[in-house]
Amino acid sequence: EIVMTQSPATLSVSPGERATLSCRASQSVNTYLAWYQQKPGQAPRLLIYGASVRATGVPARFSGSGFGTEFTLTITSLQSEDFAVYYCQHYDTWPPFPFGQGTKVEIK
Amino acid sequence: EVQVVESGGALVQPGGSLRLSCAASGLTFHNFAMTWVRQAPGKGLEWVSGISSLGMTAHYADSVQGRFTTSRDNSKNMVYLQMSSLRAEDTAVYYCARTLGALPSAPLDFWGQGTLVTVSS
Repeated sequence: EIVMTQSPATLSVSPGERATLSCRASQSVNTYLAWYQQKPGQAPRLLIYGASVRATGVPARFSGSGFGTEFTLTITSLQSEDFAVYYCQHYDTWPPFPFGQGTKVEIK
Repeated sequence: EVQVVESGGALVQPGGSLRLSCAASGLTFHNFAMTWVRQAPGKGLEWVSGISSLGMTAHYADSVQGRFTTSRDNSKNMVYLQMSSLRAEDTAVYYCARTLGALPSAPLDFWGQGTLVTVSS
């Protein structure tokens, strides 16, 4: 089973600054990688899939990159509504499709 | 507008059984795989099971393999998660989500609000 590892566990950022979140897969998942945002008491929301494709309605300040085993989610100019927990997940070919343990983006 | 609504969560004793339901609307249901994801209190997301669009194949996490069964009724736009031999560690909010494709190997683009399952004596 492929293991997804996210870093850091917590990221403290000031509003208006850039946040860079990392996700590593224990073996290559090509670009079959998605990012989700979850706010307290809410269901997760798909942000990015195919490692770099923004889902419908996702603001342009969210961008994804990477291939194989190393992936990055970048949020430029953080807004108040962006403070949340972010998860990566692979969906390469064969289940299971585990999530990373999450990165909490908090206000500095 | 696509909507996904879970139901059936409850308090159940260890060793007991429970069936969760997931109703989907606003989509051509038989074109999409569906997935169950759970989240234990204060913890991260755990992929539980995925079922293909026509229900021909279902896959499970090792943690639930042999105890949980996923099925679907495309005539009713419904997905089900039958859970048995429940353990305390199965306590979680269970989410149902549409998969962006006919197979479980795809991102999850529409999620329900979840239903809480508590396993306790």
